[in-house]
Amino acid sequence: DAMVIQNPRYQVTQFGKPVTLSCSQTLNHNVMYWYQQKSSQAPKLLFHYYDKDFNNEADTPDNFQSRRPNTSFCFLDIRSPGLGDAAMYLCATSRGPSNEQYFGPGTRLTVT
Amino acid sequence: AQSVSQHNHHVILSEAASLELGCNYSYGGTVNLFWYVQYPGQHLQLLLKYFSGDPLVKGIKGFEAEFIKSKFSFNLRKPSVQWSDTAEYFCAVITGNQFYFGTGTSLTVIP
Repeated sequence: DAMVIQNPRYQVTQFGKPVTLSCSQTLNHNVMYWYQQKSSQAPKLLFHYYDKDFNNEADTPDNFQSRRPNTSFCFLDIRSPGLGDAAMYLCATSRGPSNEQYFGPGTRLTVT
Repeated sequence: AQSVSQHNHHVILSEAASLELGCNYSYGGTVNLFWYVQYPGQHLQLLLKYFSGDPLVKGIKGFEAEFIKSKFSFNLRKPSVQWSDTAEYFCAVITGNQFYFGTGTSLTVIP
C-alpha cells in the first residue's frame, strides 16, 4: 500500500548528540511536512517542503534542520538535542498545500 | 489572532451515546476543513474533509461533520459512539495554503 514511512519508530539519543530522523513516501506527493507532537497536544508544524522549496516556521528553533534530497525522502536533523526536544516527530505528505495531509506513524525521540 | 478552537478538551461518554465535538475557526477567507483522529498508539488518520459543495460531509466509521459558514464552525458528530472510538480528535483548517490544527479533544467511551 502507498504510505508514509518513518524510521526509526523509536530513537534514543544523548543530550547534545546529533540525531537524524527519516521519512519516506510512496504517494508521490509534492509536499512533505515535519511536525513535533508532545503528549496530549496538537502537532506543531516545524517546516515543510513544497517540491524543493523549503519553508521554515517562524518559531522553529535553529537546532532543527531538514533535507529533502528527492521527492520520496525527507530528513529531520536535530543538531544538539535538549531534554525539551523529547517528543513524537511526525512526517506528513500532501498532494498540494491545500490538500489533506497523510501522516506517518511517527518517531518517538527520547533524550537522555 | 487567527486560530482553530476546540471547546471540549476532554469528553467522556457511555457507549451508544451521541457525540458532538465543536470546532470553530477565525479565518475569513476560503477554507478547507478536516477532522483527524489519533487512536492510542497510532498515527493520525483522516476522518473526513470539506472543500466545497454539500456542507454536511460524511466520513469513515459513521462520523459526519457540518460546515456552517455563518458560524465559522465545523462540528463533528456521531449518533452512537463505540468503545473503539476512544481517541484524540483534531480539527484542522487550511487557508491560504497554511495548515492549522486545533488543540484536540480527548474522547473516552466507557463500555
